[in-house]
Amino acid sequence: DTAVSQTPKYLVTQMGNDKSIKCEQNLGHDTMYWYKQDSKKFLKIMFSYNNKELIINETVPNRFSPKSPDKAHLNLHINSLELGDSAVYFCASSPGGLEQFFGPGTRLTVL
Amino acid sequence: RKEVEQDPGPFNVPEGATVAFNCTYSNSASQSFFWYRQDCRKEPKLLMSVYSSGNEDGRFTAQLNRASQYISLLIRDSKLSDSATYLCVVSRKNRDDKIIFGKGTRLHILP
Repeated sequence: DTAVSQTPKYLVTQMGNDKSIKCEQNLGHDTMYWYKQDSKKFLKIMFSYNNKELIINETVPNRFSPKSPDKAHLNLHINSLELGDSAVYFCASSPGGLEQFFGPGTRLTVL
Repeated sequence: RKEVEQDPGPFNVPEGATVAFNCTYSNSASQSFFWYRQDCRKEPKLLMSVYSSGNEDGRFTAQLNRASQYISLLIRDSKLSDSATYLCVVSRKNRDDKIIFGKGTRLHILP
């Protein structure tokens, strides 16, 4: 009965590849997010969707494209991966845009 | 000045001691405040919300000082299991509902 799940948990890939991370929440929340936590542990919001509509789009390279097929899913596709994309990516959901429920994270390593 | 600032620590505290740390925020329009806890290689989890009048949850007390723009977290009778990184989170309730995480304060409880 996992609340927020992400796949894959680990992703190791070569520079220049395209990869996707999937996120699903079964909490019935309207808002979902993608965060990036870099090697210095700084957690920064990337995108926010409310009921499949993009709400927040921080200054993120357009190689990153979120997609929300329905309000329970928010996927992240990354084109032309670069070394600096290596990080832990967390998906989160929220009932009212405040308290965040995080997924377990996807550790992305770009070689 | 960063929007949310925390002393990164680490705070090395003997078991049973009381420890407190602060978080300052720069935007006076901030309206919602939280403390999250993140264990090593895990996702952040909500520890407690911070209310204007201050609030307590067992050994944990959170306070907000709007005039000086900081929030605090006090942990009494610290346990080994309190060792973690504590993230301060600030939210503005404006059009984009931006949520900002501090970089966290590392706490090590020593036996």
